[in-house]
Amino acid sequence: SYVLTQPPSVSVAPGKTARITCGGNNIGSKSVHWYQQKPGQAPVLVIYYDSDRPSGIPERFSGSNSGNTATLTISRVEAGDEADYYCQVWDSSSDHPVVFGGGTKLTVL
Amino acid sequence: QITLKESGPTLVKPTQTLTLTCTFSGFSLSTSGVGVGWIRQPPGKALEWLALIYWDDDKRYSPSLKSRLTITKDTSKNQVVLTMTNMDPVDTATYYCAHEAAAGDAFDIWGQGTMVTVSS
Repeated sequence: SYVLTQPPSVSVAPGKTARITCGGNNIGSKSVHWYQQKPGQAPVLVIYYDSDRPSGIPERFSGSNSGNTATLTISRVEAGDEADYYCQVWDSSSDHPVVFGGGTKLTVL
Repeated sequence: QITLKESGPTLVKPTQTLTLTCTFSGFSLSTSGVGVGWIRQPPGKALEWLALIYWDDDKRYSPSLKSRLTITKDTSKNQVVLTMTNMDPVDTATYYCAHEAAAGDAFDIWGQGTMVTVSS
């Protein structure tokens, strides 16, 4: 089945820009969704279809996807952005259509 | 407003069958395209997709767990039920159900999750 690779952790100072990557074979040909999960809470969708934001998600959250890497970018990082972030794709050609990445812990220094 | 809520036992013994119910509101599973998925998360670990069921009763399962999973829907009750047979301590996890507007879409709304511990 399709594999998504995320760095286990990313650290960033408040006010700076965090970039969380999600690697996969030709992931640019797939649609990528991103979720934020804070401790003890259910995941929340923050980016869908590579770069769209659900209502209520700050404009500081953006996404891109090309080649073998999709990226979640969080601008002007705040302490409240500290969380685990997961990428997810739909692999229509597979018998394992829903694939999650291993997750990235974002630490705000 | 879409909401989902998982329910079921908090503790099951090894080899037993787990039955979880996802009760939802704010949408209908008879609406074209709509799906409900189950995802689990062992303590301190990543999300793992388990199963999906769609409005037309199309069902998808994680290949690694397919032999142990059954997903069904009761449209009249607004419920989706997941059963997992032969439970093992490694199945200890928080189990979530989530709404999908159409195949390939994101899981846009999630339930709060229910923690299931497998122990004798």
